[in-house]
Amino acid sequence: DAKTTQPPSMDCAEGRAANLPCNHSTISGNEYVYWYRQIHSQGPQYIIHGLKNNETNEMASLIITEDRKSSTLILPHATLRDTAVYYCIVPVGNEKLTFGTGTRLTIIP
Amino acid sequence: GAVVSQHPSWVICKSGTSVKIECRSLDFQATTMFWYRQFPKQSLMLMATSNEGSKATYEQGVEKDKFLINHASLTLSTLTVTSAHPEDSSFYICSARDIRASGGARSYEQYFGPGTRLTVT
Repeated sequence: DAKTTQPPSMDCAEGRAANLPCNHSTISGNEYVYWYRQIHSQGPQYIIHGLKNNETNEMASLIITEDRKSSTLILPHATLRDTAVYYCIVPVGNEKLTFGTGTRLTIIP
Repeated sequence: GAVVSQHPSWVICKSGTSVKIECRSLDFQATTMFWYRQFPKQSLMLMATSNEGSKATYEQGVEKDKFLINHASLTLSTLTVTSAHPEDSSFYICSARDIRASGGARSYEQYFGPGTRLTVT
């Protein structure tokens, strides 16, 4: 998979927007950006994916820069249940996902 | 929709015995399922890709004779840890990809089970 870089940890106040950055400077033109999260002791959960346009669903928004070298996952109104490790993944070729270390997001009451 | 179950959710077994873990897609069909392992405070590591009706593809360093995978139907894959040892104690997680998502933008949209915690004593 194309290399991604995420901060190891972030805090966000409950009710505020959580903005999680991801750098993927080596991404190529037809590679997607996927976001998953893993709440403690559970299986990961698919959040959203995008190619070059911004995307929004019921869980989050994904903002991808015009040069596609970075993206930001936005949780608009963070709740305590959003505390998790968030993984930004740029899968390549053979349809497998490679999980890095992700960002540990802690929502503060 | 897109629910994946695993059974059992946790298991304790003695060293030298075998343990079978089931992964089921409950409301969709999956030609491809994936098996991961996660040690404490580490990220998920892909062990193998399970394809319905054919042999599994194992990642480098994963012993195929120790971790037996069977994907006999479009909704069920099983992982059997044979001759388990304490170092096999881990959190085993499966995922499944909806058959309708093969190819194109949704190829990497996987739905994960809740995991199985294996402890070998």
